[in-house]
Amino acid sequence: DAKTTQPPSMDCAEGRAANLPCNHSTISGNEYVYWYRQIHSQGPQYIIHGLKNNETNEMASLIITEDRKSSTLILPHATLRDTAVYYCIALNSGYSTLTFGKGTMLLVSP
Amino acid sequence: EAQVTQNPRYLITVTGKKLTVTCSQNMNHEYMSWYRQDPGLGLRQIYYSMNVEVTDKGDVPEGYKVSRKEKRNFPLILESPSPNQTSLYFCASSLEASNTEAFFGQGTRLTVV
Repeated sequence: DAKTTQPPSMDCAEGRAANLPCNHSTISGNEYVYWYRQIHSQGPQYIIHGLKNNETNEMASLIITEDRKSSTLILPHATLRDTAVYYCIALNSGYSTLTFGKGTMLLVSP
Repeated sequence: EAQVTQNPRYLITVTGKKLTVTCSQNMNHEYMSWYRQDPGLGLRQIYYSMNVEVTDKGDVPEGYKVSRKEKRNFPLILESPSPNQTSLYFCASSLEASNTEAFFGQGTRLTVV
């Protein structure tokens, strides 16, 4: 599975959009981009995933660049409850283990 | 409600005393796995199971055993716990091994003294 690179931390004001970047320059054609988050010491929570088209669900939007070398997770109106570590994972469409890196610690402040 | 349930949530035990952490899911998922999380090391997979009676080692299997006799349950067994197994443990399940959303339990904080 391709390696992903994320900034270690980001800040966001409550109510504003949080844009979390992820670099995956070595991603292959059959690897999906997955996002999970982990609120302090709780189990990781699935957010969204995509292959090459942009995706949106009730939690977030995922924007993948045309060359698929990077992506951005967008939380449109961040709340204090969105404070968490966000993990970007490139995962093969066949069998693959979820491998968590260090992620981005997002701090949403009032 | 779809969920993965781990028990116990907290456990303090002594070195060498066998223990089992249970994990149960109610979503009829085929794939289940165990992770441990340690500061600075992130989440690391211990064991996984593709289906009933099919288990395999993850990245850090030493000192652990698992079994998958029924689809819903995937217990983690520490035959002789040691202090270096003090950690936060998570069980996860997903419909299949690939390309599906994984659901995680709330975690079990284990301390071995």
